[in-house]
This record gives sequence, structure tokens and C-alpha cells, in this order.
Amino acid sequence: QQPVQSPQAVILREGEDAVINCSSSKALYSVHWYRQKHGEAPVFLMILLKGGEQKGHEKISASFNEKKQQSSLYLTASQLSYSGTYFCGTEDSGNTPLVFGKGTRLSVIA
Amino acid sequence: DTGVSQDPRHKITKRGQNVTFRCDPISEHNRLYWYRQTLGQGPEFLTYFQNEAQLEKSRLLSDRFSAERPKGSFSTLEIQRTEQGDSAMYLCASSHTGGNTIYFGEGSWLTVV
Repeated sequence: QQPVQSPQAVILREGEDAVINCSSSKALYSVHWYRQKHGEAPVFLMILLKGGEQKGHEKISASFNEKKQQSSLYLTASQLSYSGTYFCGTEDSGNTPLVFGKGTRLSVIA
Repeated sequence: DTGVSQDPRHKITKRGQNVTFRCDPISEHNRLYWYRQTLGQGPEFLTYFQNEAQLEKSRLLSDRFSAERPKGSFSTLEIQRTEQGDSAMYLCASSHTGGNTIYFGEGSWLTVV
């Protein structure tokens, strides 16, 4: 079951914050976040396992609400380098492949 | 370089021809995944292996597609009788097991003309 991401696209000025959401209709085992630049492969950002944990490093963090079956990615004080398409991928269990959402296109402008 | 490597990076082929892509995962990763991605879409799951065993194959995968991982190390993805709709980026990824970080290779771009 493909997770649903929102918003589909967002434009930010440098220094602004953004939140990207990922929700599933099924119980989740893990949520993975990736960023992809045009023409390149997805680059891993972070993984969250069920348990409601929150992870982050520097200005990018994420939360996982197991009960609500959703995760959110928080981008703080955005930089031009944050531009790209953000994908969440979800696993139903440790033995199912990662299924990706359709992505959220983030554009950071000066 | 110890990342996931894919070859070739780009392939242009005529409709009806067969193509094969190779993926070398990160060493010691026992899971290997194949995904396909078209413009504006997220990666779409094709198939995955745990060691040499193919554990799951997408129902969307036509029988023209076959993947192998004979010794549990590198993998090949073959597309027979290519069609224009097969044009996409084919991504390989690897991980230790489920629930672990999945690392992607740079992708193999296929253009069918």
C-alpha cells in the first residue's frame, strides 16, 4: 500500500521552515526518508522504527507516530541545498520491501 | 568506493532488444532490491533478494523481466523484448535486513527507441 505524502510541492525562501507528511492506511514497521536531486539516485536521510521515536541531525528531523500511522519530516532554517524531491518509504514488517510515496518537491529560493 | 554500484549507467536500445543491468551491492549486505523510477514518480518496487533467494516479485512485473542473484552477491536484471514503456531509471539498493537503512546505487537509465 503506497504511503501518501503531503504537500505535493512547496516553495520556501532560505531560512524558512517546512514540514512534509507521510501517512499510511496500514500499520507500519518503519519509515525511511530520502532526498533526491534531479537525475540522481535517492540519498538516505533517516530511518524511524515503530515506537514513536524522533530522530534528527542538525536542521532536519523526523517523527513517527505509530498510532496514527504517519511520519513527518521537519526542515528548519532551510538552505538552498535542501532543494529536491523528498520521498518517504514505508515497511509493513521487517520482511516486506520498502514502498515509496509519490514525493514532495521542495524548492528553496534565495 | 564501497557503495552500491550499477552498470551500465546509461543504455539506449531499440525496441524488441534485450538488455541486462548489473548491480553490485555493499559487501556484507544480504538484501538486494530492484526498483524502477519514471519522471515525477517515486521508486516503484520490482523485486528483492535475501542472499540468493528471490523473496518477492511485484505483481506489476511482466514476465519479460527476470532477476537473478546467483551467489548472493551481485545481481542482474534482464528485460527481454524491450518496449518503449520500459524506459526508466532502474535503481538497485541493498541493506543488511529489513528495518535497516537501504542504500541506493546511482541507477541505470534505460531509453528504448
